This record gives sequence, structure tokens and C-alpha cells, in this order.
Amino acid sequence: DTAVSQTPKYLVTQMGNDKSIKCEQNLGHDTMYWYKQDSKKFLKIMFSYNNKELIINETVPNRFSPKSPDKAHLNLHINSLELGDSAVYFCASSPGQFGSNQPQHFGDGTRLSIL
Amino acid sequence: QKEVEQDPGPLSVPEGAIVSLNCTYSNSAFQYFMWYRQYSRKGPELLMYTYSSGNKEDGRFTAQVDKSSKYISLFIRDSQPSDSATYLCAMLQGGSEKLVFGKGTKLTVNP
Repeated sequence: DTAVSQTPKYLVTQMGNDKSIKCEQNLGHDTMYWYKQDSKKFLKIMFSYNNKELIINETVPNRFSPKSPDKAHLNLHINSLELGDSAVYFCASSPGQFGSNQPQHFGDGTRLSIL
Repeated sequence: QKEVEQDPGPLSVPEGAIVSLNCTYSNSAFQYFMWYRQYSRKGPELLMYTYSSGNKEDGRFTAQVDKSSKYISLFIRDSQPSDSATYLCAMLQGGSEKLVFGKGTKLTVNP
């Protein structure tokens, strides 16, 4: 059973398109996250949701819009894709209320390539 | 200066060696320290989670935190080829969920 699952695993698309990535966790966690790992393998947080409420919104272009329909799902929609958006996007989750400093568990990533 | 510094390596050791991986940090507010292992084309997998200074051992892995020096370490004893991966240190301030990662050290254990 995959704890944090993301779809699709690979996404290849043209510049200017709009795409979505989906994430689901079956761990019963309250907090979910999106991270971006660039070509130099550096992982940086983008967003965090706790019980469907946006908690962290880093300096991410507003072309990126997260949505949490329920606490087990956190999706990421990206408008007007640019070359610099090529990266691996990781979803993660952690138990407890926001600020409880519990360890985060990651999915296997979505590899986004912009042509 | 980056908040978290980690030597990217690569680090290559023979099977059975003791491996030492390290990170330094500048933010004295960090209180929670983690080590993740990331295999190629996989997500980071939590290895160790420690709070404040001290040591924590789990099987062949030992994590050390020295808050006075702002320095954390991960030791791997009797290293195995299956330990070949990228190791990422990560840190949290108390009450914050913003995990700050180092760049990762790529480790290869040769049979």
C-alpha cells in the first residue's frame, strides 16, 4: 500500500499549457505539502495545507494554485507552464496539527518536463 | 550564507566502511533535525528524526546533533551496497512546518 501517492509519475508538455498533479495520502495525516526539487536536486517547500486550509505559501508564482478537496488530497494546478517549471514535484504529509513538528512522509514525485 | 549547508559529494566507500555525513546550519531556531535517504527516481524516505542536541541510534544508523556548533551528523556502520543513495539533512523550527533541506550527499558503497 502506497502511503503518499502522486499521479502522474511523468508529465511532458508544451510551454504555455495548463496541467494538474494529484496527490493522495492514506496515512490519516492532517497536513500536506508540495515541494519542488530542481535540476540540482535542491528540495524547497512550496505550499502546506492543514485540514484543507492553506498554511504555507512560499514565494511561488501565482500560476501555481494548490487545492485541497479534503484532508487526504492535495492537488497542484499550474497555468501557462514555463521552461523553468521543469522539475520534480513532491507531495508529502505529516500527522498532527500544524506546528506539531512531526516528520514528513514523501511520495515518489512527478517529473515535469516542459518542451 | 544558505540556512543549511551540505557537501554534495559524491562519496564513494567500500562495503563495510563507516560512513560519516554532515550538515551545518546557520539558523539557531532549528530544533528538529532529520535525515532522509533518497534513491534514484524515488521520494525522500525518513531515516532519523531527532529533537535538540544528542545522539540517536537505530540499527546501523546513528544521528548526532550538536546545537552549540550548529552541526549534525549521520553515521552508517557496516555500510552495504543497498545504502547507495543520496542522503538529505533537513531541519525545522519549533512550531513551523517549513522543512529546510540541505542539497544532499550522494553516497556509493562499492561491493
